[in-house]
Amino acid sequence: DAGVTQSPTHLIKTRGQQVTLRCSPISGHKSVSWYQQVLGQGPQFIFQYYEKEERGRGNFPDRFSARQFPNYSSELNVNALLLGDSALYLCASSYRATGGETQYFGPGTRLLVL
Amino acid sequence: AQKITQTQPGMFVQEKEAVTLDCTYDTSDPSYGLFWYKQPSSGEMIFLIYQGSYDQQNATEGRYSLNFQKARKSANLVISASQLGDSAMYFCAMRESGTGANNLFFGTGTRLTVIP
Repeated sequence: DAGVTQSPTHLIKTRGQQVTLRCSPISGHKSVSWYQQVLGQGPQFIFQYYEKEERGRGNFPDRFSARQFPNYSSELNVNALLLGDSALYLCASSYRATGGETQYFGPGTRLLVL
Repeated sequence: AQKITQTQPGMFVQEKEAVTLDCTYDTSDPSYGLFWYKQPSSGEMIFLIYQGSYDQQNATEGRYSLNFQKARKSANLVISASQLGDSAMYFCAMRESGTGANNLFFGTGTRLTVIP
């Protein structure tokens, strides 16, 4: 079975630009979460979506937005990019939104903002 | 206060030996879950083991075991019979049930190096 997939794998943008990252969950999983991992740190929670509805939001500015589609795939959008947005963006999926479900992560998208 | 604390930035272990990676947590939620993930240089977070706050026994998964000491709020990962492929970053994470979401709080990680 395919795991969580993310695209693109790498991305280079300049300050002020906008970026869209994509994630496809494990087949049958209905919940998708996004995390940002800055170099040398652990991942930080950005969003969780379940059944196309936002279930949780981390401490990130409104420049960050996301959505989930009927097939449970998800997009993360970041507007007005800053140098500090350079990070590994990880997507994770689980079957349910709560209840101790283990989250399985994708390989991530490495974003570099110049 | 940090929800997850990993105090060992780096650890070395001889191949075939056991190693313990430390993790302490802070929560007032009576229902929570603790996770360990492995992150190789490729970047993907690989799930290793899970311990629920109400689980009576320590979790084990193959060579991985979780030493759960609830009163001390610690959830140390023990890797037995280390292999060269175990060299990676290891992250401890916690999920709190009270949030209504499934988001994980991660520590800063421990870099494990297995020496041949």
